[in-house]
Amino acid sequence: DIQMTQSPSSVSASVGDRVTITCRASQGISSWLAWYQQKPGKAPKLLIYAASSLQSGVPSRFSGSGSGTDFTLTISSLQPEDFATYYCQQANSFPAFGQGTKLEIK
Amino acid sequence: EVQLVESGGGLVQPGRSLRLSCAASGFTFDDYAMHWVRQAPGKGLEWVSGISWNSGSIGYADSVKGRFTISRDNAKNSLYLQMNSLRAEDTALYYCAKDRMGYCSGGSCYFDYWGQGTLVTVSS
Repeated sequence: DIQMTQSPSSVSASVGDRVTITCRASQGISSWLAWYQQKPGKAPKLLIYAASSLQSGVPSRFSGSGSGTDFTLTISSLQPEDFATYYCQQANSFPAFGQGTKLEIK
Repeated sequence: EVQLVESGGGLVQPGRSLRLSCAASGFTFDDYAMHWVRQAPGKGLEWVSGISWNSGSIGYADSVKGRFTISRDNAKNSLYLQMNSLRAEDTALYYCAKDRMGYCSGGSCYFDYWGQGTLVTVSS
């Protein structure tokens, strides 16, 4: 099975900051990676698919990059509504999620 | 507007069974693969099972294989999860999720819409 490892597990940042979250796969997954945002008490929301494609309706301050085993999610200028937990997910036939990164207000 | 509404959760004793349902609307249900994803209290997300548009391709996480059965009824725009031999570690919020494609394979398993979840608690 492919394991997904995110870092950091939590990060503190301020409104306007640029934030990067990384995700590493235990083996190469080409560009088969998604990023989700989850706020407390809510369902996850798809942000990025195929490593770098922005889901419809998602603000352009969110971007994704990477291929193979190493991927990043970047938020270019944090907004108050961006404080949430972020998950990566490998999109193979047996999908698997990273453990999550909690983005908190500094 | 895409809507996914889960039902069927509740408190159940270990070893018993439960059947979850997901009612879909706002899209052409039989064009898309569907999935169940769960989240234990305070924990991360875990993919449970997925089914292709025509039920021809089905997959399960190792943690539920042999105990859970996914199915769909395209005429009723509904997804199901039959859960047998439930264990305490199955306690979680179970989400129904729509795939972006008709099949989940070869790197195409992306979940673009989610329901609000139904809570399953396994306890004596």
